[in-house]
Amino acid sequence: ILNVEQSPQSLHVQEGDSTNFTCSFPSSNFYALHWYRWETAKSPEALFVMTLNGDEKKKGRISATLNTKEGYSYLYIKGSQPEDSATYLCAQGSGNTGKLIFGQGTTLQVKP
Amino acid sequence: DAGITQSPRHKVTETGTPVTLRCHQTENHRYMYWYRQDPGHGLRLIHYSYGVKDTDKGEVSDGYSVSRSKTEDFLLTLESATSSQTSVYFCATSGGSYEQYFGPGTRLTVT
Repeated sequence: ILNVEQSPQSLHVQEGDSTNFTCSFPSSNFYALHWYRWETAKSPEALFVMTLNGDEKKKGRISATLNTKEGYSYLYIKGSQPEDSATYLCAQGSGNTGKLIFGQGTTLQVKP
Repeated sequence: DAGITQSPRHKVTETGTPVTLRCHQTENHRYMYWYRQDPGHGLRLIHYSYGVKDTDKGEVSDGYSVSRSKTEDFLLTLESATSSQTSVYFCATSGGSYEQYFGPGTRLTVT
């Protein structure tokens, strides 16, 4: 994998469904993996930053895991709510300059 | 939220004209970044700065230049705007704790 890739590109779920997205990234020279939440007409907001293999982070109903050896991260949303509707971006950080390479995002639509 | 503002928020300009976008922060963050957002491409890094007068290129730097003469301001200049530079431009800052904080964005249309 040469780039940061996210799947699926978009997802439509019903309120109450649990869902998950995948972020794949180059596993060599890993530094950090970021997840951002981006609501329409707003700016991206940081959800998680993970640096260690096996890291698991949680914020409310949203959690993320990291596997640096195989180059993937999962984002889980438990019991999706309409307010979870947004685009979820992952990005790989490179070195201490903080440069980020973003994936194209997964757009989640939660229907009431 | 980090205090990040961008100006202008919207701009329409003609092909061939120079354009400067400004990012201003009040958090004394060392690192600043300019991204562009285009459908199908997500966010792509244009240039970044790791200190006053210290800048470097990102993924899509052709046609853009930047300057940072003081910690709080990071300017992005399109020397001669082209239609391919129509986009939404986001500034971000980081204090070195990995997280980046994004400004509200500038919508630029080049006609």
